[in-house]
Amino acid sequence: QQPVQSPQAVILREGEDAVINCSSSKALYSVHWYRQKHGEAPVFLMILLKGGEQKGHEKISASFNEKKQQSSLYLTASQLSYSGTYFCGTEKTSYDKVIFGPGTSLSVIP
Amino acid sequence: EAGVAQSPRYKIIEKRQSVAFWCNPISGHATLYWYQQILGQGPKLLIQFQNNGVVDDSQLPKDRFSAERLKGVDSTLKIQPAKLEDSAVYLCATQTQGSGNTIYFGEGSWLTVV
Repeated sequence: QQPVQSPQAVILREGEDAVINCSSSKALYSVHWYRQKHGEAPVFLMILLKGGEQKGHEKISASFNEKKQQSSLYLTASQLSYSGTYFCGTEKTSYDKVIFGPGTSLSVIP
Repeated sequence: EAGVAQSPRYKIIEKRQSVAFWCNPISGHATLYWYQQILGQGPKLLIQFQNNGVVDDSQLPKDRFSAERLKGVDSTLKIQPAKLEDSAVYLCATQTQGSGNTIYFGEGSWLTVV
């Protein structure tokens, strides 16, 4: 079952912060986050595993709430290069397939 | 480390024609996925292989789509006959065995059916 993402789209000015949410109706084993720029393949950002800690990558971090089957991606002090579509992918169990959400379009303007 | 290779990058065909896409995974990656991505949507899983065996093909329209992974390495995805709604990017992705591991995507094969 496809995870739900919110918001569908967001426009930010450089330096502003954003939060993208991903939720599932099923218990999750892991959540993957990817960013895709127009005409390019999705690029890996991070994976959060059940029982794992919050992860961070420079000014992009994420959390995983197992009880709520939710993950949030935090982008702080956004840069123009952050523009793109963000997808979360979820696995229900180990050795499961990865199902991607519909994506959140993020546009950072000067 | 070489990435996931896909070909052709672009293909335009008429409806009812056939087309085949090829994927060469990262060496040692046991899991291989084919996703279909329609413009403006998230990647939709078509089929998942573990080595040369099919793990999940529940979303593959088997009346027109077929896929194989010979010797657990390269994979091909075929569409025959193509329909207008098959216009999409076909993404091959690979992953080391087991969950919680990074998925690496190829650049995709862009298909336009006219």
